[in-house]
Amino acid sequence: DTAVSQTPKYLVTQMGNDKSIKCEQNLGHDTMYWYKQDSKKFLKIMFSYNNKELIINETVPNRFSPKSPDKAHLNLHINSLELGDSAVYFCASSQVVGMGTQYFGPGTRLLVL
Amino acid sequence: AQSVSQHNHHVILSEAASLELGCNYSYGGTVNLFWYVQYPGQHLQLLLKYFSGDPLVKGIKGFEAEFIKSKFSFNLRKPSVQWSDTAEYFCAVKDTDKLIFGTGTRLQVFP
Repeated sequence: DTAVSQTPKYLVTQMGNDKSIKCEQNLGHDTMYWYKQDSKKFLKIMFSYNNKELIINETVPNRFSPKSPDKAHLNLHINSLELGDSAVYFCASSQVVGMGTQYFGPGTRLLVL
Repeated sequence: AQSVSQHNHHVILSEAASLELGCNYSYGGTVNLFWYVQYPGQHLQLLLKYFSGDPLVKGIKGFEAEFIKSKFSFNLRKPSVQWSDTAEYFCAVKDTDKLIFGTGTRLQVFP
């Protein structure tokens, strides 16, 4: 059973394109997150949603738009992709906002050419 | 805001050697601390966490960490590493609603 799943696993695309990454958790958690891991392995939070409501938005360009259709899903849409967007994007979830352990998905490796 | 420092960027050990990876956070009060591991090509997995109580925390795979409040530290230890411990190790601290990660330590273990 996969607790936090992401699709696609790999995404290669051209600059200027629009792409989406999907995340689903089957843990019954209320809170979901998106993190970006750059080429130096540095992990930084981008967004957090609690029960479909945005609670954290960490100075991310507005080309990035998260969407949470329900508390088990948090998708990330990226418009006008740039070279600097190349990274691994991790989704995570936790039971309660700001509390407890975060469980991470397998990551989506995005390469913008 | 909290910040996390991991001073060891790259550690190379032989199997059976002892390991200690440093982690310092920026300010005190009540802290929740975590160590995550990322094996090559895989996602982050929780090794151990500290919320309160005994400052010596036991995790999975023989890892442990000690919370020393006076030193703002949460160092990760393992008495005898294995080749399979080769991975990236991340210390993290909870800051209000989010986790702040350190820059990670790459551990390479040679047989």
